[in-house]
Amino acid sequence: SAVISQKPSRDICQRGTSLTIQCQVDSQVTMMFWYRQQPGQSLTLIATANQGSEATYESGFVIDKFPISRPNLTFSTLTVSNMSPEDSSIYLCSVQKRLAADTQYFGPGTRLTVL
Amino acid sequence: RKEVEQDPGPFNVPEGATVAFNCTYSNSASQSFFWYRQDCRKEPKLLMSVYSSGNEDGRFTAQLNRASQYISLLIRDSKLSDSATYLCVVNRGGRRALTFGSGTRLQVQP
Repeated sequence: SAVISQKPSRDICQRGTSLTIQCQVDSQVTMMFWYRQQPGQSLTLIATANQGSEATYESGFVIDKFPISRPNLTFSTLTVSNMSPEDSSIYLCSVQKRLAADTQYFGPGTRLTVL
Repeated sequence: RKEVEQDPGPFNVPEGATVAFNCTYSNSASQSFFWYRQDCRKEPKLLMSVYSSGNEDGRFTAQLNRASQYISLLIRDSKLSDSATYLCVVNRGGRRALTFGSGTRLQVQP
């Protein structure tokens, strides 16, 4: 498995502001992903964080709203921009260690509340 | 139609009972299948991968039927600690990202 940490673990933010969430892994991983889990819902993939190139976004998610960085093989950030109450959710990063393995491991999540 | 469909439950069962969860998926190109467990206010954790030949891990047995695009999870001798939401998960047919079902909630009662 992998040890994954996320910062912050939770935050309460004002409408219109932005928040950057960090995801740190204890070892180099091939793939990193960002998911969202809204209250009472299952996980929805936001994007795949690609090292050295732009993230690959899923339908319904755009770079201007959710810019992502992945400067190396152990770290990624997700920014939630110009927040509204609808962005209140848990944001989780996940990692896949090797291309040949499909198993993903999740960070503890960041619980975001937008007022 | 959702890509991965599960009965949301809740399944309320007594300790020691056997309980089965089912899941169907729509993308016939999916290649990898998993069951994850998610406790309240925690991240999902891998319970087990699911193989065509079926696989067993202690009290847990997972089965895959590719022809019917159907996945199952059987829990024998339920424990109180099994209470959680069980997520059926498939990969995206050649892509690395995962698609999650909405989860089935299990409550094991004393």
